[in-house]
Amino acid sequence: KAGVTQTPRYLIKTRGQQVTLSCSPISGHRSVSWYQQTPGQGLQFLFEYFSETQRNKGNFPGRFSGRQFSNSRSEMNVSTLELGDSALYLCASSSGTVSSGANVLTFGAGSRLTVL
Amino acid sequence: AQSVTQPDIHITVSEGASLELRCNYSYGATPYLFWYVQSPGQGLQLLLKYFSGDTLVQGIKGFEAEFKRSQSSFNLRKPSVHWSDAAEYFCAVAGAGRGSTLGRLYFGRGTQLTVWP
Repeated sequence: KAGVTQTPRYLIKTRGQQVTLSCSPISGHRSVSWYQQTPGQGLQFLFEYFSETQRNKGNFPGRFSGRQFSNSRSEMNVSTLELGDSALYLCASSSGTVSSGANVLTFGAGSRLTVL
Repeated sequence: AQSVTQPDIHITVSEGASLELRCNYSYGATPYLFWYVQSPGQGLQLLLKYFSGDTLVQGIKGFEAEFKRSQSSFNLRKPSVHWSDAAEYFCAVAGAGRGSTLGRLYFGRGTQLTVWP
């Protein structure tokens, strides 16, 4: 069973640019969550999608957005990049339903974003 | 407010020694508790989880954790550490997966484990 796949693994952008990160969940998982990991703030929840709908959202500015496609793959976008957006962005998938452990998350290896 | 505290930022143990990593949580409802491990440049791997029932849970790689409601703790243990266990360990708390808890885990700041040969 393939795991959670994130692309690209590494990328470098400059301030003001935008970036799109992609996440393919485990087959059969319908929920995708996104997290930001930085040395200063640790692991912080961005948002969660299920069946193409955002069900939950963390406390991040509107520059951070996401979407989910009908095949459960998800993308997140960060516009007008700032230096502080440099981080490891982690995607996680789960069944998304309480009966089967909605919050048992399987994480991908992450996308390392550096903003110069 | 939901929060997780891992009091030890860095722990060093010798290979073969026992290990205990501490975790204290604050959560308004019945918590779901997790331990994850992260190796350099990698994502998070789930070691074990606690939802209900037996308060001593077994996980992968020989790890176990004990839930103590009275102390709001969920400490991770391993009787004999291997050099390959060197990594960063994260404790997390979540709700059952309804409403505002969906997909949202609250993580501690992590404990970096160094293993001496």
